[in-house]
Amino acid sequence: SAVISQKPSRDICQRGTSLTIQCQVDSQVTMMFWYRQQPGQSLTLIATANQGSEATYESGFVIDKFPISRPNLTFSTLTVSNMSPEDSSIYLCSGRQTGELFFGEGSRLTVL
Amino acid sequence: GENVEQHPSTLSVQEGDSAVIKCTYSDSASNYFPWYKQELGKRPQLIIDIRSNVGEKKDQRIAVTLNKTAKHFSLHITETQPEDSAVYFCAAKGETGGSYIPTFGRGTSLIVHP
Repeated sequence: SAVISQKPSRDICQRGTSLTIQCQVDSQVTMMFWYRQQPGQSLTLIATANQGSEATYESGFVIDKFPISRPNLTFSTLTVSNMSPEDSSIYLCSGRQTGELFFGEGSRLTVL
Repeated sequence: GENVEQHPSTLSVQEGDSAVIKCTYSDSASNYFPWYKQELGKRPQLIIDIRSNVGEKKDQRIAVTLNKTAKHFSLHITETQPEDSAVYFCAAKGETGGSYIPTFGRGTSLIVHP
C-alpha cells in the first residue's frame, strides 16, 4: 500500500499561533482525510480533503479553524489556527487506496 | 450517521491466552469492517478486514467474525504474544455519497503479559 510522510512529527506551540501540518503520499490517492486523536481516545474525522476544491468538514469542525489544502493527488496540508490548549492532540493524515485506509505517523501538537 | 461501540476498553491477558474484542454498529447499510492496530507512538495499521458477504475471515492468529443480523463483529487473537500489545480499533463503513469514511470505535488497549 501507499506510504504517507507527515511532518512535523511533533511540535510545541504557543497559544494564539497557527501551525501547518504537511502530508505527502508516495503515490496518487483518490481520497485523503484528516483525523484528530486525543490522548487515549479514538480517531475523529475532521474533514475530507478534496483535490482542487474546498474540504468537506465534519460536524464540529470549521474551515476557519482547520483550513485544508489539497493541490494535487499526493499532497495535503492541515492548518490548526489560533491554537488553544484544547487543540493539543495528535493529528493524522490518511489516504484511501484500493478500498484500504492507511495513515501517516501523526503530528503530536502540544499547545501551551 | 454510523455509531460504533467497542468493548472492552482495556484487556489484559497472559501470553498464550486468547483475546476477543467486540464491536457493534448502528447502520444496517454498513458493509465493510476493518480492524486497525496502533502500537504506542505509531500510526494505526490495518490488520484484517471483513465485508458483509462473509461471516468469518482468518489470517494466521487473528480472525474476525461478523453477524449482520445482530450488527456486531469481533476480533479474535489466539496464542497472544507480547508484541500483540497495542490499541486495537474497529471501524464500520457507512455510505456517504459513495466515499469511504469509516467510523471508528473508541479502541481497546490490549496488554499481553509475558
